[in-house]
Amino acid sequence: AQKITQTQPGMFVQEKEAVTLDCTYDTSDPSYGLFWYKQPSSGEMIFLIYQGSYDQQNATEGRYSLNFQKARKSANLVISASQLGDSAMYFCAMRAQGGSEKLVFGKGTKLTVNP
Amino acid sequence: KAGVTQTPRYLIKTRGQQVTLSCSPISGHRSVSWYQQTPGQGLQFLFEYFSETQRNKGNFPGRFSGRQFSNSRSEMNVSTLELGDSALYLCASSLGPVKDTEAFFGQGTRLTVV
Repeated sequence: AQKITQTQPGMFVQEKEAVTLDCTYDTSDPSYGLFWYKQPSSGEMIFLIYQGSYDQQNATEGRYSLNFQKARKSANLVISASQLGDSAMYFCAMRAQGGSEKLVFGKGTKLTVNP
Repeated sequence: KAGVTQTPRYLIKTRGQQVTLSCSPISGHRSVSWYQQTPGQGLQFLFEYFSETQRNKGNFPGRFSGRQFSNSRSEMNVSTLELGDSALYLCASSLGPVKDTEAFFGQGTRLTVV
């Protein structure tokens, strides 16, 4: 069975600073994918970044980067130069490759960016 | 390129009624998955469809059902609604069971059962 753990229920960061949101995972699948999503109060789940388990380099998408440490089974999201609009819930998720499209989610981290 | 479209956005139903939610995936995507999000249980997987076939199902009662049409659009149905079915229902669209494919979500349907 797959499991995602997000240990930070809430995080605060000052505008323009960087912030790291933690995510650890557990799986017995040899091949898997890791996702981060942002969910504003409107409810829409916005895709941010994806990392495949066999990717050699950490994924980056603009101000978002994924700090992937396979041996530690961690996939932390780093947001650089935080903006007020980054305030939202952030979910880490994983999916086993080569079969079901089912995503397993963590409980999320509520990020608040202060001016 | 249009994103994932879910309709309706908001719905209020009475206990015992049934409801049908719709999800149109991104053009070219053939896989649709459904999730229920509640404050208590978080995001839980309902079911997954690919090429009109249900590939996987979560741990939900039989009152929850779904289907996928030949154009990849999907519907989910909940019969005999209960108060506990009040939730945000999200659908995700992806290419299918292909390695390293991303999954994109719609805006969700917020269902309130009274």
